[in-house]
Amino acid sequence: DVKVTQSSRYLVKRTGEKVFLECVQDMDHENMFWYRQDPGLGLRLIYFSYDVKMKEKGDIPEGYSVSREKKERFSLILESASTNQTSMYLCASSSTGASEEAFFGQGTRLTVV
Amino acid sequence: AQTVTQSQPEMSVQEAETVTLSCTYDTSESDYYLFWYKQPPSRQMILVIRQEAYKQQNATENRFSVNFQKAAKSFSLKISDSQLGDAAMYFCAYQHSWGKLQFGAGTQVVVTP
Repeated sequence: DVKVTQSSRYLVKRTGEKVFLECVQDMDHENMFWYRQDPGLGLRLIYFSYDVKMKEKGDIPEGYSVSREKKERFSLILESASTNQTSMYLCASSSTGASEEAFFGQGTRLTVV
Repeated sequence: AQTVTQSQPEMSVQEAETVTLSCTYDTSESDYYLFWYKQPPSRQMILVIRQEAYKQQNATENRFSVNFQKAAKSFSLKISDSQLGDAAMYFCAYQHSWGKLQFGAGTQVVVTP
């Protein structure tokens, strides 16, 4: 059974904190993605990675960074959390090739207070 | 840049009836892939159906089918014989080669008994 696991389902952090969201996949996938989901806006791509130590900016990278030191793990970092980063964060992975299905984690609902 | 537009925030359908969700996209590419994903209240995103742009034949998966109009850049999803378990948020998505998988804003499907 394929699996993408996000470290937390719910998270509450204070403004200015450094926040780490972790994502692990067990499918040996090359591609990994971080999305932000907000009502009425759908899923917006923050960053994606197509290989270890490789990353590309998505549509809304400001205020975020990522790390991919191992193939199975892709971390999203909020350098200094702000209230406008309160959102649902979804991690996904897929094999190389645009036809390949993306598999998603269950999401982390982050609240910044 | 590619954009995906879903103009229906919510659609309601009675059990056993048919509902069609619309999606349009903007791209200058000729080879790409289109997807419909379903996100139930559990938040677990799953693939419903996919379509290769180079294929003229519309994809079908059991009660789910698409109407792909490449020239019009339209990709609608038809759910036939709707069931209570079909209630979810449905996202249209676009992907060209490797890399960015981009989503629309989503359409909430409500199924009434």
